[in-house]
Amino acid sequence: QLQLQESGPGLVKPSETLSLTCSVSGGSISSRSYYWGWIRQPPGKGLEWIGTMYYSGSTYYNPSLKSRVTMSVDTSKNQFSLRLTSVTAADTAVYYCARLGCSTACYFYYYYYMDVWGKGTTVTVSS
Amino acid sequence: QSVLTQPPSVSGAPGQRVTIPCAGSSSNIGAGYDVHWYQQLPGTAPKLLVYSYINRPSGVSDRFSGSKSGTSASLAITGLQAEDEADYYCQSYDSSLGGFWVFGGGTKLTVL
Repeated sequence: QLQLQESGPGLVKPSETLSLTCSVSGGSISSRSYYWGWIRQPPGKGLEWIGTMYYSGSTYYNPSLKSRVTMSVDTSKNQFSLRLTSVTAADTAVYYCARLGCSTACYFYYYYYMDVWGKGTTVTVSS
Repeated sequence: QSVLTQPPSVSGAPGQRVTIPCAGSSSNIGAGYDVHWYQQLPGTAPKLLVYSYINRPSGVSDRFSGSKSGTSASLAITGLQAEDEADYYCQSYDSSLGGFWVFGGGTKLTVL
């Protein structure tokens, strides 16, 4: 059974870089059948998609965050990572990593949806 | 403000049927991109509830069902139970601004 576990600092100072890692167990991040993604949820608010990537390195980012986001994958460790630069208090949120699968038309990345989620990690931006 | 619009809240009594709408536009639902639904119980991570409009993952009760009509989608919950009290999010893909995955603003379901 696939499991995802987020890890990283729970507190980041304003203007610094937020770095999180998602460790994948029970399956391979190099599987051709899935994409991998990050989603966040500010306190008391809804879900916001951050980015999606394929094991080969293809990435897709939220246009509103694109200038500050980088996602990467380490297939040797079965992990993928998120970097968000120049953070502010508005970046305070629970950050989730997720696997994206699909049921039909799987040759199109935009048909993929979040079928397995990590438990989330809380990141607070404060001095 | 999301490009997928959901009511902030809905409510129903145990045993009743409720529906949660998700209104989109020609650049997302109307463009043919699938809609998926997630359930988020208090204090937990979201969970996939319905995918590609009408399909349920293994283990999800058949009391949950999805549908599509034009540029909108809906989630119906029948035989409402106290354990259904949660936040529900629709999700699709939008082709504007170069393309992005998008969630609705979420709907809080209260079981009276």
